[in-house]
Amino acid sequence: NAGVMQNPRHLVRRRGQEARLRCSPMKGHSHVYWYRQLPEEGLKFMVYLQKENIIDESGMPKERFSAEFPKEGPSILRIQQVVRGDSAAYFCASSPSGNGDQPQHFGDGTRLSIL
Amino acid sequence: GENVEQHPSTLSVQEGDSAVIKCTYSDSASNYFPWYKQELGKGPQLIIDIRSNVGEKKDQRIAVTLNKTAKHFSLHITETQPEDSAVYFCAARALTGNQFYFGTGTSLTVIP
Repeated sequence: NAGVMQNPRHLVRRRGQEARLRCSPMKGHSHVYWYRQLPEEGLKFMVYLQKENIIDESGMPKERFSAEFPKEGPSILRIQQVVRGDSAAYFCASSPSGNGDQPQHFGDGTRLSIL
Repeated sequence: GENVEQHPSTLSVQEGDSAVIKCTYSDSASNYFPWYKQELGKGPQLIIDIRSNVGEKKDQRIAVTLNKTAKHFSLHITETQPEDSAVYFCAARALTGNQFYFGTGTSLTVIP
């Protein structure tokens, strides 16, 4: 009964490289959310996806960031041409539906460090 | 959009004492309020939640209260234990909303 699985747990990139973060939702969950957490801060919403659809990307920077959730396979958060300010913990959450009164279950995150 | 404020940012209590964390929100359309516990190096774990048609909910040593008129909700932990030490986050979401809005967290330390 696996929970939300994120990999890698830690990712180190040099400035200008690309970072790919993967998230497999809980079994039976088709709604995925990505959040970003800076040290000693709360989580900030980035994007909400259903299978093959982006529902809400209002929290995602317009440039360099993209997300997908294909029909098969995990959801991917992609950051191109990374900069130092992208260093953060990125968390994925999933829920069985998009209803506003349903809990979201989180993975253990990917800690991205930019050298 | 929604704005969630959380207090205090740090809290130390003696083992066995109670801990209370308070959050306020701004959007009257918010109607779902979960609380998460985050341990070092881990993701947030849901510990309790409350919906707006309920004023209070309890689960063993943990309780949450909601005052919709005043737009605030609180987490109460009784008989605290060292393993309760963690960062706690409150959140709010509207029924038709797509995202949780999180508070900035409370770092709870339970002193043995």
